[in-house]
Amino acid sequence: AQSVTQLDSQVPVFEEAPVELRCNYSSSVSVYLFWYVQYPNQGLQLLLKYLSGSTLVESINGFEAEFNKSQTSFHLRKPSVHISDTAEYFCAVRGPHTPLVFGKGTRLSVIA
Amino acid sequence: SAVISQKPSRDICQRGTSLTIQCQVDSQVTMMFWYRQQPGQSLTLIATANQGSEATYESGFVIDKFPISRPNLTFSTLTVSNMSPEDSSIYLCSVAGLVTGELFFGEGSRLTVL
Repeated sequence: AQSVTQLDSQVPVFEEAPVELRCNYSSSVSVYLFWYVQYPNQGLQLLLKYLSGSTLVESINGFEAEFNKSQTSFHLRKPSVHISDTAEYFCAVRGPHTPLVFGKGTRLSVIA
Repeated sequence: SAVISQKPSRDICQRGTSLTIQCQVDSQVTMMFWYRQQPGQSLTLIATANQGSEATYESGFVIDKFPISRPNLTFSTLTVSNMSPEDSSIYLCSVAGLVTGELFFGEGSRLTVL
């Protein structure tokens, strides 16, 4: 079985500052990794995913995440955040034949 | 990606009643999933809805409380039975993408039980 730990429940950051949202996972098999975003009063949207190949994956709105197998991590980063990035971010993991397991989420609050 | 529509988007219900949530997908999918997101919490998988067979429930969830229907490849319903305030949550329908099973979600159904 897989599990996900998001180390920070809340991350406040000033606008245009960099941010890192941390995610660690555990699994005895190879995994697929995902980051989802949930804006206030909306459903979940897939932000980015790691399936195989390059360990650095990027989203269309400037976020990136790097798969680190030795540290079992998949941290999400953005070099300069905007007010519109304020949302809840969920890290998720699944194995080849197992359901998607979500972390508890990190609330990113961008301060003007 | 799939377009997923859920109804109702929100509802306020009385204790002891039941409510059925509908999920419509714009394409045929093999598996549909129902998740619950309790206030301030992450998502928890309730069950996997399979077309033509019984739903598969996760530990802690039972068919009597959360009966699921899956009459065809584009539609599913989840009923929350005999509701109590502890059932106040967002219930989300999701489907897997064609490649490696990333999930796409509906907007969710926000239930408040008084």
